[in-house]
Amino acid sequence: KQEVTQIPAALSVPEGENLVLNCSFTDSAIYNLQWFRQDPGKGLTSLLLIQSSQREQTSGRLNASLDKSSGRSTLYIAASQPGDSATYLCAVIDNAGNMLTFGGGTRLMVKP
Amino acid sequence: GAVVSQHPSRVICKSGTSVKIECRSLDFQATTMFWYRQFPKQSLMLMATSNEGSKATYEQGVEKDKFLINHASLTLSTLTVTSAHPEDSSFYICSAPRDGTPRSGYTFGSGTRLTVV
Repeated sequence: KQEVTQIPAALSVPEGENLVLNCSFTDSAIYNLQWFRQDPGKGLTSLLLIQSSQREQTSGRLNASLDKSSGRSTLYIAASQPGDSATYLCAVIDNAGNMLTFGGGTRLMVKP
Repeated sequence: GAVVSQHPSRVICKSGTSVKIECRSLDFQATTMFWYRQFPKQSLMLMATSNEGSKATYEQGVEKDKFLINHASLTLSTLTVTSAHPEDSSFYICSAPRDGTPRSGYTFGSGTRLTVV
């Protein structure tokens, strides 16, 4: 059974810092991996999707990497802003493409 | 593109009543819809998977008679919480593969905050 772990569980940084969120998964036979952002009381917003054959994806200040063989992904946020404060979730999709397995999330607070 | 519209966003109901939550795919066909439950400060827990035109598949420990799922069309899936009790109070979110294929990742509804009093 796939297990997804996110470290750290919570993170507080001053504005302007670059930061890295970590995601690890136990079964490397994944279809793809997706990073989401969730604001309190809201649904999930997709940030980046990495196919199993890809090594990284970039969108603005966000960069996600994938090392499938070692079961790891990182989300890099450059020049963090208070508006980046949210919970970040990574999820892997199994090889059948049918199921998302979520990590526990990282709660990020960026202080002005 | 690939938007899932979820309604209502918030609902308060009395204990013993039923509540229906709707998720519509607005610009794509969702042959499959996933329903999640989320407790405060916790991650999402998959409750069930609905497929258009067939019975939903429930995760272990989820009561299918309590959480009725209907996926009557390619754009609409509903979750009905029957005879709701305070312990059913939670945040419910639906999700579907974008553009109908997991290759494009998943898109989520905005969630429904259910409070049972």
